[in-house]
Amino acid sequence: DQQVKQNSPSLSVQEGRISILNCDYTNSMFDYFLWYKKYPAEGPTFLISISSIKDKNEDGRFTVFLNKSAKHLSLHIVPSQPGDSAVYFCAARETGANNLFFGTGTRLTVIP
Amino acid sequence: NAGVTQTPKFRILKIGQSMTLQCTQDMNHNYMYWYRQDPGMGLKLIYYSVGAGITDKGEVPNGYNVSRSTTEDFPLRLELAAPSQTSVYFCASSYSDMGAQHFGDGTRLSIL
Repeated sequence: DQQVKQNSPSLSVQEGRISILNCDYTNSMFDYFLWYKKYPAEGPTFLISISSIKDKNEDGRFTVFLNKSAKHLSLHIVPSQPGDSAVYFCAARETGANNLFFGTGTRLTVIP
Repeated sequence: NAGVTQTPKFRILKIGQSMTLQCTQDMNHNYMYWYRQDPGMGLKLIYYSVGAGITDKGEVPNGYNVSRSTTEDFPLRLELAAPSQTSVYFCASSYSDMGAQHFGDGTRLSIL
């Protein structure tokens, strides 16, 4: 029972263009969402997060948008760079719970 | 700055053998976690700890045990290895329950 879903296993984008990674969730109790980036043979690295009281959070080239009514969030990377090529995981949790639920990941390839 | 260190990086076990995956962090984080990642899947929480002497089960705890005698160390024990435990294991830590989790580089475990 996958509570966090990333339906696109892969995405290819030209350098300089926008990358949009999508994530859907089923549990309406989730109120905190995170994006992690993972390079091969390394652990996931925290990128950006958003609380359910917001609908947007920005950090440099990375912006996360949250649509609570649709149970959908997205990560925008502008402009995309070759070093952004990695697997991106969406994760979600409930306040007070220690379990972080991860999606299956989207492999982003940024083409120079 | 080491962060979260996991050893070993790779291991092959025979069915029925036991082993301990080591995890240590130098960030003085109270919260520590063990995840497994199966091919094509997201990370799933095995066990977590909110401080020395306190541990609790996550989503997939069967076949594993943990202990937390110090703030720094959170070893994961497999008592009777089974092929279904073939996976990549990640240890993580965080300052608080809502803080971003910092991950180690993982232990790739194969059970044959």
